[in-house]
Amino acid sequence: DGGITQSPKYLFRKEGQNVTLSCEQNLNHDAMYWYRQDPGQGLRLIYYSQIVNDFQKGDIAEGYSVSREKKESFPLTVTSAQKNPTAFYLCASSIYGETDTQYFGPGTRLTVL
Amino acid sequence: QKEVEQDPGPLSVPEGAIVSLNCTYSNSAFQYFMWYRQYSRKGPELLMYTYSSGNKEDGRFTAQVDKSSKYISLFIRDSQPSDSATYLCAMIANEGGSNYKLTFGKGTLLTVNP
Repeated sequence: DGGITQSPKYLFRKEGQNVTLSCEQNLNHDAMYWYRQDPGQGLRLIYYSQIVNDFQKGDIAEGYSVSREKKESFPLTVTSAQKNPTAFYLCASSIYGETDTQYFGPGTRLTVL
Repeated sequence: QKEVEQDPGPLSVPEGAIVSLNCTYSNSAFQYFMWYRQYSRKGPELLMYTYSSGNKEDGRFTAQVDKSSKYISLFIRDSQPSDSATYLCAMIANEGGSNYKLTFGKGTLLTVNP
């Protein structure tokens, strides 16, 4: 079964703590993306990676960090520097050069207590 | 002015109605247009993809693009309760600096009542 998995589905964090969201894909896609979705805001791009060991900031990268050590995996760390981290986080992937056809994971809902 | 404008709704229709969802955009570099459907607490799924002006049909869904007016639409015929979801338009430019990024509308929440 090919697809994108994100874990956990729900995550709670205390203020001041870093937390890492997992994203794994077995679609053999080169490119992977992280988005944040807030009510009434649509999807906003946090980071993207077009190949292993390379990634670029999106529109709202401040307070986030990523790594891309393996093709299948693109974890996102929400650091304590992110001022308003409570949101729905979506990971996506695509074939290299086919940014217009992205496949999304089920999302992780992060709540900061 | 935001690059992509989409009325967030909510939109509520009776079963069987024709639904019209719309987005306008300001960036003339956008060349590829997508509609995603997102059920509550799930990831978006690609519903329709178009790249030229005109209509594209897929079952009960029709995507329409008018590049001269910078306006795209999604029509749903014979709407069903299972169509209740948030519909997001998305578009991408075909130029070197921007073709890595999808730009999304805010999404329109649709409810189809049985």
